[in-house]
Amino acid sequence: QKEVEQDPGPLSVPEGAIVSLNCTYSNSAFQYFMWYRQYSRKGPELLMYTYSSGNKEDGRFTAQVDKSSKYISLFIRDSQPSDSATYLCAMRREGGAQKLVFGQGTRLTINP
Amino acid sequence: DSGVTQTPKHLITATGQRVTLRCSPRSGDLSVYWYQQSLDQGLQFLIQYYNGEERAKGNILERFSAQQFPDLHSELNLSSLELGDSALYFCASSVAGRSDEQFFGPGTRLTVL
Repeated sequence: QKEVEQDPGPLSVPEGAIVSLNCTYSNSAFQYFMWYRQYSRKGPELLMYTYSSGNKEDGRFTAQVDKSSKYISLFIRDSQPSDSATYLCAMRREGGAQKLVFGQGTRLTINP
Repeated sequence: DSGVTQTPKHLITATGQRVTLRCSPRSGDLSVYWYQQSLDQGLQFLIQYYNGEERAKGNILERFSAQQFPDLHSELNLSSLELGDSALYFCASSVAGRSDEQFFGPGTRLTVL
C-alpha cells in the first residue's frame, strides 16, 4: 500500500463548478501538506501549503487537512478552463529527512 | 518560469548506455532534489543535496548517482540504462529548511530504446 493515495481520475467538470480533490495517507507522522499543480509538459508548481490540521484559503483555492482521518482536500471554486491540469498532493514529516511524498496526481479538465 | 533550469529537454538513448542530466537551481537555493515521474509510479523522490552534501535518499537505484558541485548545479547520472528507466526526470530547488516549497524545473524527458 502506498503512503499517499490519490484518485488519478480523470475528472471532468463544467466551467464554474466547485471541484473537490482529495488524498488519503497512512503515515501519521506527516505534518506538512502541499498541493502542486502540473500543466502538461511542465514541472509541478506549488499551489497551497498547510502545516498540521486546519483550513487555508487563497483566492479560489481552499486546502483542508483532517489529521484524525488522514485526509486532505483541495477545493477550487468558480473553476476556469485554465485550471485544467494535474493536481498532486504532497506531504512530509516534521524534521528528519525532508523528502516529499507525492500522490499519484488527479488529472482535471474544466470544460468551457 | 520557476528559475530552475534543466538540460537537455529531451534525451533518446539505447539500453545499456549512460547519460547525465544537468540542473541549475534558483539563485540562492542551496537544496537540490531529483525526482522521477512515470505513468505507473507517479512522482518519486530520488535524492536530495544540500550545499554539496547528500542530505536524503529515496528510491534511487544503484545504477543512478548524483552530485552537487561548488557552484550548486547538480548532475544526475544514469547508467546501464533499461527500458523501464524511460521517464520524466525533474530537478527542484528550495531555500534552506523549506523543502515543502520546492521549485521545479521543466524536466528532462528520457527515452530508452
